[in-house]
Amino acid sequence: DAKTTQPTSMDCAEGRAANLPCNHSTISGNEYVYWYRQIHSQGPQYIIHGLKNNETNEMASLIITEDRKSSTLILPHATLRDTAVYYCIVRVRGGADGLTFGKGTHLIIQP
Amino acid sequence: DADVTQTPRNRITKTGKRIMLECSQTKGHDRMYWYRQDPGLGLRLIYYSFDVKDINKGEISDGYSVSRQAQAKFSLSLESAIPNQTALYFCATSVTSGRTAYNEQFFGPGTRLTVL
Repeated sequence: DAKTTQPTSMDCAEGRAANLPCNHSTISGNEYVYWYRQIHSQGPQYIIHGLKNNETNEMASLIITEDRKSSTLILPHATLRDTAVYYCIVRVRGGADGLTFGKGTHLIIQP
Repeated sequence: DADVTQTPRNRITKTGKRIMLECSQTKGHDRMYWYRQDPGLGLRLIYYSFDVKDINKGEISDGYSVSRQAQAKFSLSLESAIPNQTALYFCATSVTSGRTAYNEQFFGPGTRLTVL
């Protein structure tokens, strides 16, 4: 699986858009970008994934650069409940084994 | 009701004791996983199972064993617990469609294990 690089922590004001970057410069053509988040000591929660097109669901948007070497997760209107560690994971979709979690980005939403 | 449940939620035990952590799911998923999380770190895979007859070691399987009693149940055992197995343990499930395993995994609430 390709290695990812994320900032250790970020702050965002409540009600503003939170933009979380992820670098994955060694991504392969058949690897997807997945985002999960973990709210303090709870089980991680799947957010969104994409291959090369931008994706949006009820939780977030995912913007993948044209060269696919980086991506940004966008939480459009952050709330205090979005404070969590966000993990960017790159892997083949048909991968048989478990996910590889790095240290992620600790996003703190400020009131 | 939660789709993925874990019991117990908290457990304190002593070095050398045998302990079992249990995971049940009502999602009908075929794949189940056990992860471990140490403070300040991401999750690491211990074991995973594709179905009842298939068990696979993950990154850190030493000191652990598992049992897939049914499609809905996947248990993790520590035969002789040691203090460095103190951690947060998560069970997860995912589904296979045809020959494709989807990476959208669904996690349980976790079991906090302390080995004294």
